[in-house]
Amino acid sequence: GAVVSQHPSWVICKSGTSVKIECRSLDFQATTMFWYRQFPKQSLMLMATSNEGSKATYEQGVEKDKFLINHASLTLSTLTVTSAHPEDSSFYICSSGRAPDTQYFGPGTRLTVL
Amino acid sequence: KQEVTQIPAALSVPEGENLVLNCSFTDSAIYNLQWFRQDPGKGLTSLLLIQSSQREQTSGRLNASLDKSSGRSTLYIAASQPGDSATYLCAVATQGGSEKLVFGKGTKLTVNP
Repeated sequence: GAVVSQHPSWVICKSGTSVKIECRSLDFQATTMFWYRQFPKQSLMLMATSNEGSKATYEQGVEKDKFLINHASLTLSTLTVTSAHPEDSSFYICSSGRAPDTQYFGPGTRLTVL
Repeated sequence: KQEVTQIPAALSVPEGENLVLNCSFTDSAIYNLQWFRQDPGKGLTSLLLIQSSQREQTSGRLNASLDKSSGRSTLYIAASQPGDSATYLCAVATQGGSEKLVFGKGTKLTVNP
């Protein structure tokens, strides 16, 4: 089956630093990727839709200047958390799919901001 | 706005027991519904996908049903095993855009040996 990878799997950083998370589709071209965030004991919440070659679409309440998304190629989307703060600590997961009915999720990235 | 609710939030059963997990959604205009499994600190594994026109799907010991008009789905797990211990998530895709999923908070299942 299709595989979506994420890097890093976990990261710990100091408050005020920026963190980049990569999401790669390993065996298919992904024109669209989705970024989710999951706080402890909460649902996965869609943050933004990443579109190859164009601007990302952000969900209501998600700051586009804080969560920078770049989708420069058909196999890579990056999420950069700028000036991270402890409240940004969360589990970030990306997904993509070959077809509308088939979404493959990455293994997730655990971000801890001290 | 679509909202997905899962009950119970947690469930602990002895090995071998059959069990049912519940999912409800507020807007019946869905494209499809999926059940996922999430292990601690891991990504999601898709278990079953039910299209809006379907009533149920089966895979091994898992059976998922969908009653779109009442906004409900159930995941039935037969003869549970300790390896089934995980959090089970229900997610719906809205009509016209199946890629954007709305998730429930999940049911944390523990199967005791």
